[in-house]
Amino acid sequence: AQSVAQPEDQVNVAEGNPLTVKCTYSVSGNPYLFWYVQYPNRGLQFLLKYITGDNLVKGSYGFEAEFNKSQTSFHLKKPSALVSDSALYFCAVREDPLFGNEKLTFGTGTRLTIIP
Amino acid sequence: NAGVTQTPKFRVLKTGQSMTLLCAQDMNHEYMYWYRQDPGMGLRLIHYSVGEGTTAKGEVPDGYNVSRLKKQNFLLGLESAAPSQTSVYFCASSYSGGRSSYNEQFFGPGTRLTVL
Repeated sequence: AQSVAQPEDQVNVAEGNPLTVKCTYSVSGNPYLFWYVQYPNRGLQFLLKYITGDNLVKGSYGFEAEFNKSQTSFHLKKPSALVSDSALYFCAVREDPLFGNEKLTFGTGTRLTIIP
Repeated sequence: NAGVTQTPKFRVLKTGQSMTLLCAQDMNHEYMYWYRQDPGMGLRLIHYSVGEGTTAKGEVPDGYNVSRLKKQNFLLGLESAAPSQTSVYFCASSYSGGRSSYNEQFFGPGTRLTVL
């Protein structure tokens, strides 16, 4: 069974500082990994994904994520945080489609607060 | 291009009442999903569909039924609502590019349901 862990419920970062939101996963075979962001009273918005290739993936709004196979991690990063980055962030994983599993499994979310 | 839309946005039910949530997408996506979001639990998959006329159970299907009579619509029904079904419900859709690829899910704005 596939699973995702986001070990931090809340992350606070000063504006202008780098930020990291952590995610670890467990799947059979090669993972397909995603980050989504949710602003208050809105649906989830796609940020970036890792399917294959370069371990550093760049996405929307200046975010990037680093895939680390040995540590089974996919941490979300940004070099310089903005107040507008404050939101709820979800990591998600699915198995390689060759296993026939069409489902995404989401983490419990990390609330990121950027302090002015 | 409206993307994924959900109706209604808010609803209050009494225990035992029934209702149907409607999801519509105009992106010609094959796959559609219904999730519920509860505090501290992330998103949990209720039911999903990989094409018109097909549905499958997700992680938490009990108490819900779905139908996909048209490709663009995915209906979620509650036959006899219970307070445990108080939640925010999200619909999502995605394009499937084949077994060797996977595309991100696009989410609707959500329906906030309260069962008294």
